[in-house]
Amino acid sequence: NAGVMQNPRHLVRRRGQEARLRCSPMKGHSHVYWYRQLPEEGLKFMVYLQKENIIDESGMPKERFSAEFPKEGPSILRIQQVVRGDSAAYFCASSRTVTSGWYEQYFGPGTRLTVT
Amino acid sequence: DQQVKQNSPSLSVQEGRISILNCDYTNSMFDYFLWYKKYPAEGPTFLISISSIKDKNEDGRFTVFLNKSAKHLSLHIVPSQPGDSAVYFCAASAGNFGNEKLTFGTGTRLTIIP
Repeated sequence: NAGVMQNPRHLVRRRGQEARLRCSPMKGHSHVYWYRQLPEEGLKFMVYLQKENIIDESGMPKERFSAEFPKEGPSILRIQQVVRGDSAAYFCASSRTVTSGWYEQYFGPGTRLTVT
Repeated sequence: DQQVKQNSPSLSVQEGRISILNCDYTNSMFDYFLWYKKYPAEGPTFLISISSIKDKNEDGRFTVFLNKSAKHLSLHIVPSQPGDSAVYFCAASAGNFGNEKLTFGTGTRLTIIP
């Protein structure tokens, strides 16, 4: 049973380029979350998606960042016109639907974005 | 506004002894708390959780204690083992169901001394 998959694991972009980060949730999971970890900081929530829907994007920067989780295929976090401050580790997590109680989120290995 | 705080950036403990990691929160709406463990260059791994209706949850060597009135929780690891050396994150969620975002603390780096 494969876990949460993220690719690429490492991504180097020059300032002004676009970065695309992919996340495939665990089998049976329909909820995807993206978190960002800046150096020496904790993980910060960015966006929560279900298939074809953005449920909560309260942590997404207003400009240059977008996310999608299409009906088919992985979830994509897209960063346009990257700047040095976007350098961070980006983690994807997934969970299944629960109707009562709580269910933990499972994290992928992360994509380390470096902007030069 | 740091709603979940881990005030100790690092902790060193002798192998075999008890490790106690602490976490404080400010948001009264949080009703579910989790601890994650993270090794370098890997994603966080779920360790143990606790609902706000409980004050203790135990799983093997790991026990989490919750003091709602103090808005404080702690993770006890006993006995500590070298493989426990990692960064530990406290996280919290507000909501009745599991499909909610997590708010993380800044982490505590635990080093187990052989």
